[in-house]
Amino acid sequence: EAGVTQFPSHSVIEKGQTVTLRCDPISGHDNLYWYRRVMGKEIKFLLHFVKESKQDESGMPNNRFLAERTGGTYSTLKVQPAELEDSGVYFCASSRAGTGFGGYTFGSGTRLTVV
Amino acid sequence: DQQVKQNSPSLSVQEGRISILNCDYTNSMFDYFLWYKKYPAEGPTFLISISSIKDKNEDGRFTVFLNKSAKHLSLHIVPSQPGDSAVYFCAASETGSQGNLIFGKGTKLSVKP
Repeated sequence: EAGVTQFPSHSVIEKGQTVTLRCDPISGHDNLYWYRRVMGKEIKFLLHFVKESKQDESGMPNNRFLAERTGGTYSTLKVQPAELEDSGVYFCASSRAGTGFGGYTFGSGTRLTVV
Repeated sequence: DQQVKQNSPSLSVQEGRISILNCDYTNSMFDYFLWYKKYPAEGPTFLISISSIKDKNEDGRFTVFLNKSAKHLSLHIVPSQPGDSAVYFCAASETGSQGNLIFGKGTKLSVKP
């Protein structure tokens, strides 16, 4: 089966601009997660979708971040306006319902650089 | 404040020897622990996990040990191979966390031929 696909793989934008990251989960995976790793730090949870519903968005840093999952398929994460501290690698992961954390499959990530 | 700590940013080991990666946690509510392996430009890949009702789980060359009283877990790789060179992340979760994994900062393992 195809893996979790994220694009773009890299994005360089100026402070104040808008960027939209996309994640295509594995087909049939109801759970979709967004995580972020700032350089040299831990990978941090952002939010969790179950199908199209936000199950947990406790990790979203502030209201400049907006995540959607239209029709329970792909998901987008929009940062508007971007700030320097938003730079990092954004990972998406998906899993089937009931598989537990071992069933997570991560995408390769989007490296976002805000200059 | 970090709830999952990997205090060694890097570790270098000779091929064929044992690699021991350590992880400490502070939240006593964590009841499930995982190790992920990450190569450059790729996402983390699940390696092995352990539930808090166990103190050891083994899968081939990989063994995870859990010491609940010390809030410490370790990953042993025996024998180490050059292909094991990667960043290893320790992660933890608690029942009811709805899929929110708490990760450490990672340890970069280099296995030298």
